[in-house]
Amino acid sequence: QKEVEQDPGPLSVPEGAIVSLNCTYSNSAFQYFMWYRQYSRKGPELLMYTYSSGNKEDGRFTAQVDKSSKYISLFIRDSQPSDSATYLCAMRSLPGGYNKLIFGAGTRLAVHP
Amino acid sequence: DTAVSQTPKYLVTQMGNDKSIKCEQNLGHDTMYWYKQDSKKFLKIMFSYNNKELIINETVPNRFSPKSPDKAHLNLHINSLELGDSAVYFCASSQSYLNTGELFFGEGSRLTVL
Repeated sequence: QKEVEQDPGPLSVPEGAIVSLNCTYSNSAFQYFMWYRQYSRKGPELLMYTYSSGNKEDGRFTAQVDKSSKYISLFIRDSQPSDSATYLCAMRSLPGGYNKLIFGAGTRLAVHP
Repeated sequence: DTAVSQTPKYLVTQMGNDKSIKCEQNLGHDTMYWYKQDSKKFLKIMFSYNNKELIINETVPNRFSPKSPDKAHLNLHINSLELGDSAVYFCASSQSYLNTGELFFGEGSRLTVL
């Protein structure tokens, strides 16, 4: 079993839809949770970052962490064609001094006009 | 001005050859990384250097040898290339090895081994 599981999709939605992307994990030591967005043929870029459980909102994006269920989500409201990309969740365990991020496999999202 | 730049962007080579990828960051960060992304988009850390010192060395064949001449540069040399080495290799940097998880990635170097 992988430490982080993420449905690879693809997920295809019409413009304006609400998108829900999810990851589950097995390591209860994870404390820091991130979502990266990766456009085709580009490197990933940090989209959202949350610490421990709770919600964080940034414009059309909301990140949720439920540590009791070992489940994180990213919601995109009013999705746009420019949101079409692969979304990777990433998590960081308590460091032994080293910042080792564990990534999910990524979910490919296509938003069509 | 590109923050994390990698060269070359594309490599196509034969099995058994040796190749190098170079990475430079102009962000003033202390820590640099090499990640491998396979065809299924799975991104996995290979190495990390903090101020020229190797701090993460995952289970990677010893045909892969990273080198950091200074904290702004991290290179990756691969000997005796195999078909399974075909992937996109990403260089990344972060402010320090203690930061909470913001990595700045380059655009990737797409390696195809024939």
